[in-house]
Amino acid sequence: DVKVTQSSRYLVKRTGEKVFLECVQDMDHENMFWYRQDPGLGLRLIYFSYDVKMKEKGDIPEGYSVSREKKERFSLILESASTNQTSMYLCASIPIGARRGWDTEAFFGQGTRLTVV
Amino acid sequence: AQTVTQSQPEMSVQEAETVTLSCTYDTSESDYYLFWYKQPPSRQMILVIRQEAYKQQNATENRFSVNFQKAAKSFSLKISDSQLGDAAMYFCAYRGQETSGSRLTFGEGTQLTVNP
Repeated sequence: DVKVTQSSRYLVKRTGEKVFLECVQDMDHENMFWYRQDPGLGLRLIYFSYDVKMKEKGDIPEGYSVSREKKERFSLILESASTNQTSMYLCASIPIGARRGWDTEAFFGQGTRLTVV
Repeated sequence: AQTVTQSQPEMSVQEAETVTLSCTYDTSESDYYLFWYKQPPSRQMILVIRQEAYKQQNATENRFSVNFQKAAKSFSLKISDSQLGDAAMYFCAYRGQETSGSRLTFGEGTQLTVNP
């Protein structure tokens, strides 16, 4: 089974702290994504990466950065955490499919509920 | 940019009955994939069903089926013989055809309650 693991299920941080959310997948997937999930807003894409050291901004990148030094690990960084970044964060990965490269499902981590106080 | 809209924040259904969740999307691409994901209280996202845009036949997975209307850009999910375990948040999602660099875009979600 494909496994996507997020480093923490629950996290409480103080305003102004630098926060690292880690995501590791064990199936050699090329594409990795970070979303935040808020009630009524669904999943909004923060950043994604389609290869090592490659990254693309999503719809809400402000206040976040990412790092992908190794294929299996995609880190989300909150440079200076603020209370409006309190949310659920979900990591996902998608392989390059054998057929057309896009006909594959996303695999998700269990989510990190981050509270910034 | 692609957008996905779910206009029903909440739905409820009686056990053993049928319910339909709505989804519309906007895209200029001709080839793409559509998905329905389920998120139970455990928060783990589970793929329910997927549809390839170039296939005219609607996808079916056991009690779950879709009504894919490409011209109308509509992709609804029908759950037949609803079970208590179907209670969850359901998300509609879109992904384009690029092999890399293609984002996965989600709708706002529909919270489904199943009443015994």
